[in-house]
Amino acid sequence: DIVMTQSPDSLAVSLGERATINCKSSQSVLYSSNNKNYLAWYQQKPGQPPKLLIYWASTRESGVPDRFSGSGSGTDFTLTISSLQAEDVAVYYCQQYYSTPPRYTFGQGTKLEIK
Amino acid sequence: QVQLVQSGAEVKKPGASVKVSCKASGYTFTSYDINWVRQATGQGLEWVGWMNPNSGNTGYAQKFQGRVTMTRNTSISTAYMELSSLRSEDTAVYYCARGKVAADGRSWDYWGQGTLVTVSS
Repeated sequence: DIVMTQSPDSLAVSLGERATINCKSSQSVLYSSNNKNYLAWYQQKPGQPPKLLIYWASTRESGVPDRFSGSGSGTDFTLTISSLQAEDVAVYYCQQYYSTPPRYTFGQGTKLEIK
Repeated sequence: QVQLVQSGAEVKKPGASVKVSCKASGYTFTSYDINWVRQATGQGLEWVGWMNPNSGNTGYAQKFQGRVTMTRNTSISTAYMELSSLRSEDTAVYYCARGKVAADGRSWDYWGQGTLVTVSS
């Protein structure tokens, strides 16, 4: 299975500042035939199910604020929150969906807090 | 509006089976894959498997092969996940999630509220 490793495990950022979360896959999740990276980002708040933020590594889900952005390709990816808001406190997960047949895996999560 | 509503919490003894339901509404049930993901308390997310509600085709994470079965009843727009030979390590919240068509069904745009399954003697 593809192993997803996030860094850091936890992060404290001041309100209004930028937050950056990294995700590295053990093998490339870039599918050469369509040039798409099979990588998604989710946000999970306590007591709630995960919420899809980003898919195809950089496509923002409908309704997600534009302060959230995804970047990267191949094995290295980044989720950036450009100006942290109080409601962004959550755990963030990356997920690869490259494997066929499906063997989807998640990163271990990054806990984002306010400094 | 799209909703996935799961069945209530379960308490099971080791070795027993549990069947969790996920009732879909607000969209055509057979047009979107359903995936199951679990999360132990304070832990990360773990993919269990997927099902195509139209064909009934399924795929399971290797870890759960032989213990998990995913089925559906299209007449009531409900998906089911049954896990057998339960052990304490299976104690977790189990989520169903709908596959996002624009992401080839492989990332998930709507989630159920979660069902806590507790395995304890």
